[in-house]
Amino acid sequence: EPEVTQTPSHQVTQMGQEVILRCVPISNHLYFYWYRQILGQKVEFLVSFYNNEISEKSEIFDDQFSVERPDGSNFTLKIRSTKLEDSAMYFCASRRGQSVYGYTFGSGTRLTVV
Amino acid sequence: AQKVTQAQTEISVVEKEDVTLDCVYETRDTTYYLFWYKQPPSGELVFLIRRNSFDEQNEISGRYSWNFQKSTSSFNFTITASQVVDSAVYFCALTLYSGGGADGLTFGKGTHLIIQP
Repeated sequence: EPEVTQTPSHQVTQMGQEVILRCVPISNHLYFYWYRQILGQKVEFLVSFYNNEISEKSEIFDDQFSVERPDGSNFTLKIRSTKLEDSAMYFCASRRGQSVYGYTFGSGTRLTVV
Repeated sequence: AQKVTQAQTEISVVEKEDVTLDCVYETRDTTYYLFWYKQPPSGELVFLIRRNSFDEQNEISGRYSWNFQKSTSSFNFTITASQVVDSAVYFCALTLYSGGGADGLTFGKGTHLIIQP
């Protein structure tokens, strides 16, 4: 069964550093997403991406965040200057088409900011 | 804005008991999709079911069943004859159907289900 692949599985970074989280969505999927889950809390929507541009973003997705699909296969989330409160599990998800199709989530990247 | 409420923070039952996880949602839209995901201790999100707002049929899949009632805006999930492997956090989620397909999921806070042997 096709999978959404996220790398790395765990990343530790120092406060103020830039991090890039990487995702390889399922190849024939058209819609891409990033979600965040702070430890012990609910999963929160960050951003959706379609046709090489952001479709929707939440209040969490401020100027320190950016997304990119640089080469037609990878989908990245960049955090420019990490803060302690950015420590969380970040999930990438993709979806093939309109809402009748479900979301496929990756296994997540656990980001720890120290 | 959408909202999903899972009032049960944690449920603990003994193996083989039946357990129901509650989910109540709020949306002004008439077309939407509801989901349940399982998050085991390993952390990944495992898709369980998707239901659209026009389909109020209950569904059964093995030991799992779902009861969707638009009248009460609820989408409850029942596990019959629970097993230790069912121990996980379960999330209910909602997305609108915009036709464009880019809508994100709104999650509830999750219910931590503990099945004791």
